[in-house]
Amino acid sequence: DAGVTQSPTHLIKTRGQQVTLRCSPKSGHDTVSWYQQALGQGPQFIFQYYEEEERQRGNFPDRFSGHQFPNYSSELNVNALLLGDSALYLCASSFGDSNQPQHFGDGTRLSIL
Amino acid sequence: GENVEQHPSTLSVQEGDSAVIKCTYSDSASNYFPWYKQELGKRPQLIIDIRSNVGEKKDQRIAVTLNKTAKHFSLHITETQPEDSAVYFCAGYSGGGADGLTFGKGTHLIIQP
Repeated sequence: DAGVTQSPTHLIKTRGQQVTLRCSPKSGHDTVSWYQQALGQGPQFIFQYYEEEERQRGNFPDRFSGHQFPNYSSELNVNALLLGDSALYLCASSFGDSNQPQHFGDGTRLSIL
Repeated sequence: GENVEQHPSTLSVQEGDSAVIKCTYSDSASNYFPWYKQELGKRPQLIIDIRSNVGEKKDQRIAVTLNKTAKHFSLHITETQPEDSAVYFCAGYSGGGADGLTFGKGTHLIIQP
């Protein structure tokens, strides 16, 4: 039973660039949520996708956008990268309603130079 | 939106003793409270969760209690072992809200041999 997988593992970008991160949910899950985790902090909710639409969104600017595909996999896109975007980006999958158990992937470590 | 406060930030206990981590939340509409364990460089792992219609839940050495009136919930780990050393995060989900899971800032649990 494959768990949540994310790619790439690590990424280095420079300010102003754009980045795309990818997530495949756990088998049987149809909902994908994205979180940003700064060093020494708890994960912060970015947005959630269900049925290929953004269902919920946290307090992040429009530079952060996403997509969900028919196979439930998802992408997180960040435009015009800032130094403050350096963080671990975590994807979590779940089934159905928003308050169901979420299972995390290993994350993508994004460093902005 | 929801606000989750977590205490203490660091907790050191002797192996075999019990550990208690406490969280408070602000939104009385919150109805789902998971706990995650995150070892260094690894993904957050769901260890136990509780819903607002339940006061206590146990799973072997781990238990969670919820006091809806006081809006606080706690994680209890008994007979601690070295492998319990990690950062623990509490989280809350505000039913129908737009914030996804709101996490506390984490507790670094250290098990002293």
